[in-house]
Amino acid sequence: EVQLLESGGGLVQPGGSLRLSCTASGFTFSSYAMSWVRQAPGKGLEWVSAIASGGNTYYAESVKGRFTISRDNSKNTLYLQMNSLRAEDTAIYYCAKRTSSSSGWDHWGQGTLVTVSS
Amino acid sequence: QSVLTQPPSVSAAAGQKVTISCSGSSSNIGNNHISWYQQLPGIAPKLLIYDNNKRPSGIPDRFSGSKSGTSATLGITGLQTGDEADYYCVTWDSSLSAWVFGGGTKLTVL
Repeated sequence: EVQLLESGGGLVQPGGSLRLSCTASGFTFSSYAMSWVRQAPGKGLEWVSAIASGGNTYYAESVKGRFTISRDNSKNTLYLQMNSLRAEDTAIYYCAKRTSSSSGWDHWGQGTLVTVSS
Repeated sequence: QSVLTQPPSVSAAAGQKVTISCSGSSSNIGNNHISWYQQLPGIAPKLLIYDNNKRPSGIPDRFSGSKSGTSATLGITGLQTGDEADYYCVTWDSSLSAWVFGGGTKLTVL
């Protein structure tokens, strides 16, 4: 059974940093692209970042230069390093596994809440 | 403002059919596959449709997807109260080099 478990969320002051982790199990982690998707309170879904199985990375314009996605295939873990956090980064952050086809994320974690506030 | 345009809300009676549209451009829907997600309140999104019209295992055939040009449609037949949720379309945008979501559509089953 595929499982994705996010951790690392919490309360942080504006300008601060936080690192999210997503521990995967039940599939060959190294073979799949992974993404982070967030949802601000009462708002829709917003894609944040993606990392291909080969390591290429992609970012939404809103986080480019502030967030860094990475993966450790030996630990089956996906990361999101978030720096220079802003109030508008407040959201539930989900990690999601890509399907083996060209579109879609077929498994999602339960999400971790990041709150940026003074 | 979302790159992909969805109606904010749709409604239909239980047992009836509803469609949710998703409009984009040649840089996204026009040249890339689309997927659809259902999000129940307080729960992570669930994949309903991928590659425009394919259903993952476990998704009933009441859910269907189609694409034509720069628009896509999610169809749900035999509406049930349990289908009340937010629905999102998403695809890759080749110009932005980014995944783009629609703003979401809230389905109400009357």
